[in-house]
Amino acid sequence: RKEVEQDPGPFNVPEGATVAFNCTYSNSASQSFFWYRQDCRKEPKLLMSVYSSGNEDGRFTAQLNRASQYISLLIRDSKLSDSATYLCVVNHYNQGGKLIFGQGTELSVKP
Amino acid sequence: DADVTQTPRNRITKTGKRIMLECSQTKGHDRMYWYRQDPGLGLRLIYYSFDVKDINKGEISDGYSVSRQAQAKFSLSLESAIPNQTALYFCATSDSGGVQPQHFGDGTRLSIL
Repeated sequence: RKEVEQDPGPFNVPEGATVAFNCTYSNSASQSFFWYRQDCRKEPKLLMSVYSSGNEDGRFTAQLNRASQYISLLIRDSKLSDSATYLCVVNHYNQGGKLIFGQGTELSVKP
Repeated sequence: DADVTQTPRNRITKTGKRIMLECSQTKGHDRMYWYRQDPGLGLRLIYYSFDVKDINKGEISDGYSVSRQAQAKFSLSLESAIPNQTALYFCATSDSGGVQPQHFGDGTRLSIL
C-alpha cells in the first residue's frame, strides 16, 4: 500500500464549479501536511500547508481528519488557471525533513 | 533569477555514460534533495542532505550518487546510465528546523538511449 494515496483523476469541471480532492495517508504518526500544485512537466509549487483546525486561502480550503487519516482540498469558483495536478504531501515524525508525495490528482477546468 | 537552479535543463545521452546533474541555490537553505518523477509514480526521493557533511539515501538511491560540495550546491551523478533512469529530475531545498515546505528547481529532463 502506498504511504500517500490520491485519485489520479482527471477531474473535468466547468469554470465556476466547486471541486474537492481527498488524499489518504497510511502512517498515523504523520505530522505535517501540504498541498502542492504542479503544472504540466513543471516543478511542484507549494499551494498551502494543512493545519489541524483546517485553513483557507482565498478560494482554497484544506481540511485534515486525523481519525480517518485523510486530508482534503476544496477549490471554489474554479478558474481555467486552476488546471493542474495537485499533489498531497505528508511528513511523519521520524522522517525529519523528508516529505512523502502522492502521485497527484489531475484537474482540468473547462470554459 | 531562480532561487533553485538546475543544469542542464535537458539531456539526451547513451547507455553506459556518466552523467552529472547540478543544483545550486541562493535561498540559504541547509537542506537539499534530489527526486525523480515518472508518469503514474509521482515524486520519489533519491538522496538528501541536511548540511554539507550529511548525505542520506532516499527511496531509490541505487545507481545514483551525490556530492554536497557546499551549502549552495548539491550534484547528482549517474555513474553508468541505463534507459530506466530516463525521467524528470528535480532538486529541492528547504529550511532547517522541523518540517519545512520544499522549494523546487525547474527540473532536468533526462533521456537515456
